[in-house]
Amino acid sequence: ILNVEQSPQSLHVQEGDSTNFTCSFPSSNFYALHWYRWETAKSPEALFVMTLNGDEKKKGRISATLNTKEGYSYLYIKGSQPEDSATYLCAFGTQGGSEKLVFGKGTKLTVNP
Amino acid sequence: EPEVTQTPSHQVTQMGQEVILRCVPISNHLYFYWYRQILGQKVEFLVSFYNNEISEKSEIFDDQFSVERPDGSNFTLKIRSTKLEDSAMYFCASSLPLGGRETQYFGPGTRLLVL
Repeated sequence: ILNVEQSPQSLHVQEGDSTNFTCSFPSSNFYALHWYRWETAKSPEALFVMTLNGDEKKKGRISATLNTKEGYSYLYIKGSQPEDSATYLCAFGTQGGSEKLVFGKGTKLTVNP
Repeated sequence: EPEVTQTPSHQVTQMGQEVILRCVPISNHLYFYWYRQILGQKVEFLVSFYNNEISEKSEIFDDQFSVERPDGSNFTLKIRSTKLEDSAMYFCASSLPLGGRETQYFGPGTRLLVL
């Protein structure tokens, strides 16, 4: 059974702090790793799709790295703002069949002003 | 920017009743998915749909569940006889090509409560 784990489960930071969290996944048969940002009552917003070992992607103050050999990805937020408060989900993209996503439980980030 | 929409946003139903959850995927997308998240648990895959047929389904997706694309725009999930454990947030998603390495675009979800 494919298992994706995220840590920490929740995080409280002050405005202006930089923060990071982790997604762990099986390193064998790696295909793709997705990051989403999900605010309550809104659609999960796609941040990144990462496919190659060593990939680094950036979108504004948010960036992500990928290590497929050891099975982890980090998401970094530089200079957190209250509007960054959300749940950040990672999902393993499976190969074959319908290529469904297998999700972690998410990291809930709260940025205090 | 195109987006996936879902209706209703919330639905409360009695155990044993049928519910239909509706989704309008992004118009030129070809692959459609339903996922759900029971409160406090992971988002989990239910079913995928391509070319007017189910391409994959999970163990959760038993005979009580069905999906349909009744016209060119809507994609529906029907639960025939709801159970208490069907209470969850149901997400629809779509992608243009297959979604393992491509972005799957999610709707805002329908929160289903079965009493």
